[in-house]
Amino acid sequence: QKEVEQDPGPLSVPEGAIVSLNCTYSNSAFQYFMWYRQYSRKGPELLMYTYSSGNKEDGRFTAQVDKSSKYISLFIRDSQPSDSATYLCAMSATGGGSNYKLTFGKGTLLTVNP
Amino acid sequence: KAGVTQTPRYLIKTRGQQVTLSCSPISGHRSVSWYQQTPGQGLQFLFEYFSETQRNKGNFPGRFSGRQFSNSRSEMNVSTLELGDSALYLCASSRLAVSGGGKSEQYFGPGTRLTVT
Repeated sequence: QKEVEQDPGPLSVPEGAIVSLNCTYSNSAFQYFMWYRQYSRKGPELLMYTYSSGNKEDGRFTAQVDKSSKYISLFIRDSQPSDSATYLCAMSATGGGSNYKLTFGKGTLLTVNP
Repeated sequence: KAGVTQTPRYLIKTRGQQVTLSCSPISGHRSVSWYQQTPGQGLQFLFEYFSETQRNKGNFPGRFSGRQFSNSRSEMNVSTLELGDSALYLCASSRLAVSGGGKSEQYFGPGTRLTVT
């Protein structure tokens, strides 16, 4: 079982739709959860950063973490064509050490149609 | 504040050659991590440097190496290139060492797209 699983999509929605992107993970030590957005031919851009369980909202974006289910979500409200990109989840554990690193999902390709 | 810069942006090399990629982190950031991104494997961690020391290494062969300079700029070298090394190579900088645990937000550069023929 991979440490982080993410549905690669592609996901296509009409403008204005609510988008739900999800990742599941197997490592219960993960405490930090991130969402990155990557436009074509660009590097990933950090969108949301959350610690442990709960919700975090930033404008049209809401990140949700359910540690009991090992499941994280990113919701995009009122989606816009400019939201069309690949969305990557990433997570890491606390404690540090030589084995400590960010682990990424493979990304979900989202297209928002005008 | 200037973001992470990577040079060159595109590179075409032949099998067996070697290549050096460069990364300049955000000012004040002392950690630089390198990743390889391919459609099949996604983002895979190569190594992290912090204060000129390699702090962590991913599961890549010894042909992949790196270093960091006193100004935090980092270089990555790949020797004896193989076709499978064709990928987008990304570097990310953070203020603190990711390998130190705790909260450390990473900011990515635009990447270097390497094509090996």
